[in-house]
Amino acid sequence: DAGVIQSPRHEVTEMGQEVTLRCKPISGHNSLFWYRQTMMRGLELLIYFNNNVPIDDSGMPEDRFSAKMPNASFSTLKIQPSEPRDSAVYFCASSLDRGTGNYEQYFGPGTRLTVT
Amino acid sequence: RKEVEQDPGPFNVPEGATVAFNCTYSNSASQSFFWYRQDCRKEPKLLMSVYSSGNEDGRFTAQLNRASQYISLLIRDSKLSDSATYLCVPSSGGYNKLIFGAGTRLAVHP
Repeated sequence: DAGVIQSPRHEVTEMGQEVTLRCKPISGHNSLFWYRQTMMRGLELLIYFNNNVPIDDSGMPEDRFSAKMPNASFSTLKIQPSEPRDSAVYFCASSLDRGTGNYEQYFGPGTRLTVT
Repeated sequence: RKEVEQDPGPFNVPEGATVAFNCTYSNSASQSFFWYRQDCRKEPKLLMSVYSSGNEDGRFTAQLNRASQYISLLIRDSKLSDSATYLCVPSSGGYNKLIFGAGTRLAVHP
């Protein structure tokens, strides 16, 4: 079975440019999470969706960041305009919320973003 | 206080050794608990869930103490391939959301 798919795997861009990261969750999963990981701050939750609806976006750093989930099999995280401090690895994860209280998440390989 | 506290390590152990990691969490409403491992420059991968009665998966044993809000992971007969960062992960009580600790680094040497 395919796991979580993310693209691109690497992105190098200049400050001020728009960046779009893409994620395809595991088929059948109904929750999707976007994380950012840096050495300084570790793994931070940016936003998560349940049944395509954003539930908690309190981790989104500022208005430059936006995320969408137009359908159950696709999500995007957009940064516009990008800044050097956005350089990090961005992970997408998905899980199946059965309402049982056991919420293991499965991660994609990540997108390594460098903003110069 | 941090939501999840772990000793960052590194724990440097020889092959075959037994090593234990501990973590504490602050949210008493957490319902689910996991250990993830993360290799350098890779994504976190689920190692095992942690159940109230304690559970074992091969060389790995996880324990949960809800009263003390404490989770542990024991690795027996360490292998070189166990070298990684181990992340303690409680859920954010009542929500389909996980809180990742900063991790404990393990280095197993020959």
